[in-house]
Amino acid sequence: DAGITQSPRHKVTETGTPVTLRCHQTENHRYMYWYRQDPGHGLRLIHYSYGVKDTDKGEVSDGYSVSRSKTEDFLLTLESATSSQTSVYFCAISESSSGHNEQFFGPGTRLTVL
Amino acid sequence: GQNIDQPTEMTATEGAIVQINCTYQTSGFNGLFWYQQHAGEAPTFLSYNVLDGLEEKGRFSSFLSRSKGYSYLLLKELQMKDSASYLCAVRFSGGYNKLIFGAGTRLAVHP
Repeated sequence: DAGITQSPRHKVTETGTPVTLRCHQTENHRYMYWYRQDPGHGLRLIHYSYGVKDTDKGEVSDGYSVSRSKTEDFLLTLESATSSQTSVYFCAISESSSGHNEQFFGPGTRLTVL
Repeated sequence: GQNIDQPTEMTATEGAIVQINCTYQTSGFNGLFWYQQHAGEAPTFLSYNVLDGLEEKGRFSSFLSRSKGYSYLLLKELQMKDSASYLCAVRFSGGYNKLIFGAGTRLAVHP
């Protein structure tokens, strides 16, 4: 199994509070991704990174920011959490951008915003 | 947008064969992945297709027709542990190995 961990695994917070989720990998993979998964929508890309300090927006980036100061860590921040951001968040990593390079997923973080 | 369509739910009997279909827009296609996801767990990789034809891996096979924008995942000799969601994901041109996922097909295997 790819070495990917996410923290925290579960979090309950209140509307308006900042929240940071951490993804940590031990595979030295270049590409990292943050997804959210909601019933009926499948996995949707929030932000991704293609190297240290290199990040870009995905399809549902509003209300989220990311940072990657080290190869192994990719942080997702909700500056002011809203109830619509209640979801399961998955981090994924990929070694390369082409060919048979599947994404490996972390265990997920279940976030509830009250 | 780049919609990925797959059935929401399917049921099948233990020992049988089931086929899960996936359709997508053909423009910019650059590879298709199938993942399995058990309830409460992370998705895990099953198969990859980029050329037309069938890729076989044990009890699981995946087929691709690029001209039709169509793929299927074939599960043989179904076991109870195959009860899970199956996610179809397409990589379109644009780099960075970004994937667009379908909503997933929830498969229930009954005795």
